[in-house]
Amino acid sequence: TQLLEQSPQFLSIQEGENLTVYCNSSSVFSSLQWYRQEPGEGPVLLVTVVTGGEVKKLKRLTFQFGDARKDSSLHITAAQPGDTGLYLCAGEYGNKLVFGAGTILRVKS
Amino acid sequence: DAGITQSPRHKVTETGTPVTLRCHQTENHRYMYWYRQDPGHGLRLIHYSYGVKDTDKGEVSDGYSVSRSKTEDFLLTLESATSSQTSVYFCAISHPLLDRGDSYGYTFGSGTRLTVV
Repeated sequence: TQLLEQSPQFLSIQEGENLTVYCNSSSVFSSLQWYRQEPGEGPVLLVTVVTGGEVKKLKRLTFQFGDARKDSSLHITAAQPGDTGLYLCAGEYGNKLVFGAGTILRVKS
Repeated sequence: DAGITQSPRHKVTETGTPVTLRCHQTENHRYMYWYRQDPGHGLRLIHYSYGVKDTDKGEVSDGYSVSRSKTEDFLLTLESATSSQTSVYFCAISHPLLDRGDSYGYTFGSGTRLTVV
């Protein structure tokens, strides 16, 4: 069974602070994907990282895939209230996705 | 964007009754998935399909069955609903990423909130 451990579970920070969410596994994935989910909606894909060591930037969000393709991180710079939501990492293997438990982020103004 | 619709959006049903949830896509994507989402568990795969009449189990398939008689429709059936199946159910499709020809993205429906009383 493929498992993804995501941390922290909850994060409450002030506007302007930086934060990092971690996603770790003992399994190797063909890609690692990050999603954001709003209440009452399905997850929306933010980014897919495929190559070990890959770094992708999406405005104030930076995503990194570990060299061994077992772990990933999401770093948000200067968080804003609009970043509030549930962030999910997901590892792809054999045309399926396995998800971490998610990180609930709250950014206070 | 892949069009994906789930119905119903909300349902309340009694323990022991069968329930069918529907997922409809407007494009001919091969792979379709059913997940359930519960607090503290993220999303867990119930069943998935890799073509018409081709389906396979996920990690939490007990008590669920699926059918795919047409490319665009993927049905999830709770054969005899139990309170432990109260959850939010999401359908998803996978599709090639335009900027990453070697990888796939997943698009999710808006979910069905099912309550079993």
